Formats: sequence, C-alpha cells, structure tokens
Amino acid sequence: GENVEQHPSTLSVQEGDSAVIKCTYSDSASNYFPWYKQELGKRPQLIIDIRSNVGEKKDQRIAVTLNKTAKHFSLHITETQPEDSAVYFCAASRGGTASKLTFGTGTRLQVTL
Amino acid sequence: GAVVSQHPSWVICKSGTSVKIECRSLDFQATTMFWYRQFPKQSLMLMATSNEGSKATYEQGVEKDKFLINHASLTLSTLTVTSAHPEDSSFYICSARKPIPTIFYEQYFGPGTRLTVT
Repeated sequence: GENVEQHPSTLSVQEGDSAVIKCTYSDSASNYFPWYKQELGKRPQLIIDIRSNVGEKKDQRIAVTLNKTAKHFSLHITETQPEDSAVYFCAASRGGTASKLTFGTGTRLQVTL
Repeated sequence: GAVVSQHPSWVICKSGTSVKIECRSLDFQATTMFWYRQFPKQSLMLMATSNEGSKATYEQGVEKDKFLINHASLTLSTLTVTSAHPEDSSFYICSARKPIPTIFYEQYFGPGTRLTVT
C-alpha cells in the first residue's frame, strides 16, 4: 500500500518568514495530493490540493509543488502569520472510485512574533 | 457547500459498554464515507471505508467485529465501538466523499468525536 513520509515533524518560523513542508510517497499510481490544516481538537481543513497533471499550484500565500518522477511534493507558505500555526498533514490518493487517502505524519508549525 | 456533521462531539463511557457515533452529510449525498482514528499528536489513520448499501471495507489490523460500521442511507454512516476499553479512547473523525463528476474525489471531514473510556 501507499506510504507517505512527511518532514519536518516540527517547524518554527518567525512571522513574515516562509515555511516549507515536504512529503514523499511510495505509490507511483497516486495522482491526487491534498494538504490539510488541523487546529487542536478540530477537523482537518483542506487548504490546497494538486493533481498529477500539474507541477505547481498557488493560492495566495500558499503553494504546492509536485515532482512525480521523484515522488515528492511540498507545501510552501509565504509571509507566515500567527494564525498559520497549526498541524499540517499531506496526503496521497489514487483518486477514482477508491480515493482512499493516506496521510503523512504531520508537521506542527509554530509562527512566532 | 459540503458540510459533514458528527454526533456526539464527545462521549465518556465505561469499559465494556458500546458507543455509537453518527456521521451525516448535511447538504449532499455521500455514497462513500470514511472513518479515521487519531491518537494525540498523531496522524489520521484510516479505519474503514463505508459504502452505502454494502459492507464496509476495513483496513488491515482493524477489528470489524469491534468497530461496527453501518451506512444505511446516502447521508448517514454510523460507527459503533463495541465492548470499549481504555485503549479505544481516541478522536474519531469521519469524512464524506462528494460524488462530483471527476475521477478525483475530495473528502470533507466531520468535526470529530472524542471518545474517552474509563
């Protein structure tokens, strides 16, 4: 089955700096890669996703890049703000009728003033 | 919209009793729902995939006789933790798949249910 590794497990940045979280996956058939933000005790919220037919996607301060050859994808947050502090999870799926998500281990992002 | 609710949001039960958790898609029909378990400071682990009108598909290592899943309608799936023990204490989260006409199906998550077994 799919295995998703995520690094780093914790990340502390100063407000205004950029944050990068990286994930690798094992299943070459995976073609859907969402990123979720989860605050303590809350549900995961989809912040951005990327399909395998593109290499990069951007939404305001958030961007995701995908390298299918190397089987890794990354989340980039620019101009970080204190409200970006949360746990971020990457995930991978084959899409289609299965659409089972395999999650990474999570990154705890702390944005300090 | 794509709103998923769960009930209850938290529950405390005694060891040996059973607990039922409901997951509802409020504004769309969900042919497939997923049940996850999340221990403190850990990732979401898929327990089972629930398909309306058929038996759930359980992930390896998840006891199907202990975690009973019923998906009787297109908007409701239930997870029953039978003979609960303290080690079953966890955050249980469901998600529902919106059947948009594309091969990529996004999942929408419920708010979670915190189960504490004493």
